[in-house]
Amino acid sequence: SQQGEEDPQALSIQEGENATMNCSYKTSINNLQWYRQNSGRGLVHLILIRSNEREKHSGRLRVTLDTSKKSSSLLITASRAADTASYFCATDAGETSGSRLTFGEGTQLTVNP
Amino acid sequence: GAGVSQSPSNKVTEKGKDVELRCDPISGHTALYWYRQSLGQGLEFLIYFQGNSAPDKSGLPSDRFSAERTGGSVSTLTIQRTQQEDSAVYLCASSQRQGRGEQYFGPGTRLTVT
Repeated sequence: SQQGEEDPQALSIQEGENATMNCSYKTSINNLQWYRQNSGRGLVHLILIRSNEREKHSGRLRVTLDTSKKSSSLLITASRAADTASYFCATDAGETSGSRLTFGEGTQLTVNP
Repeated sequence: GAGVSQSPSNKVTEKGKDVELRCDPISGHTALYWYRQSLGQGLEFLIYFQGNSAPDKSGLPSDRFSAERTGGSVSTLTIQRTQQEDSAVYLCASSQRQGRGEQYFGPGTRLTVT
């Protein structure tokens, strides 16, 4: 079963707008990661936030983590058409689970030029 | 060196045949993972290898699935007597070591069972 659940499942915005995607999970985690996938193929790692962190920035990306609510959000600011992709959150429960990642079902983001 | 590579990129096979999927991880990465992604879904963990330790096979969906990692590098995922429900993209990832966090993914193998 999927650990993470993203919402919305699909998001369509205009270029220049901000995009916010949310992720909820069920068990304790070591860290939470966001990945991007183009055209159903390889995933690209975007950002990792550890369980003791609350917010992290990388370029136009901002990730927040609320471990009390078991939720995370990914904000993409000033979106571009090239940001069109599927975005997945993935939780890492730590070395006892082999650091396997448990993925949500993703948010399909479409940025219209 | 280069990123994670997988072969073949696409594989079409008839129901009941065996298939082998290959993954070349990033050189020096000791942890290797296989995931499966069905159409429009998230990734499902299958198996992982860490150094010379016994692999964690807990995600394999049936005994028709097996995987090996030779010499701590290249890995092969074998599916015997393929079924139509095995159709999916099979993704391989590696990381520097278990617990490092970030995983580097290959482009995947799209398997279609007819």
